[in-house]
Amino acid sequence: DIQMTQSPSTLSASVGDRVTITCRASQSISDWLAWYQHKPGKAPKLLIYKASSLEYGVPPRFSGSGSGTEFTLTISSLQPDDFATYHCQQYNSFSPIFGGGTKVEIK
Amino acid sequence: QIQLVESGGGVVQPGRSLRLSCAVSGFTFSTYGMHWVRQAPGQGLEWVARLSNDGSYKYYVDSVKGRFTISRDNSKNTLFLQMNSLRPEDTALYYCAKEVGATSGGYYFDHWGQGTQVTVSS
Repeated sequence: DIQMTQSPSTLSASVGDRVTITCRASQSISDWLAWYQHKPGKAPKLLIYKASSLEYGVPPRFSGSGSGTEFTLTISSLQPDDFATYHCQQYNSFSPIFGGGTKVEIK
Repeated sequence: QIQLVESGGGVVQPGRSLRLSCAVSGFTFSTYGMHWVRQAPGQGLEWVARLSNDGSYKYYVDSVKGRFTISRDNSKNTLFLQMNSLRPEDTALYYCAKEVGATSGGYYFDHWGQGTQVTVSS
């Protein structure tokens, strides 16, 4: 089975910071990768699909890049609403596999 | 506006059963495959099960095969998860999610519910 590893697991940052989260796949998944934002008590929200395609309505400060086994989610200028946990998910194979999550905390 | 609302969670003893529901609105439910995804305390998200749009094809993560059954009622726009022989390791927040299919054969999720908590404890 494909394994997805996110780093870091926790990230402390300030409003206005540029934030980068990494997701690594144990084998190539081409660009079949999605990113989600998840806040406690709320439904996870799709941010990015196909590694770099921005979901409709998602602010352009969010961007995704990568292919093969290494991917990044970048928030160009962190906003107060962005403090949350971020999950990557591969969909190269039938069974969706998620990374362990990255919690973005206020510094 | 698309909405998915889970219900049916609770505290249950090991070995007992629970049935989760997910009521959906805002899209043509019968057109889409649907999934259950869970998150155990302190853990990442884990895909649990998928059901095709017409209910014909069911898929499960190995750890729940033979114990959980996914189903749907397209006339009532509702997805279900029947959970039998529950174990402490099934304790998690359970989400239903609407799929987007890809040419890879895989799926990602464009809409999720807020989840329902299942706690398995004696």
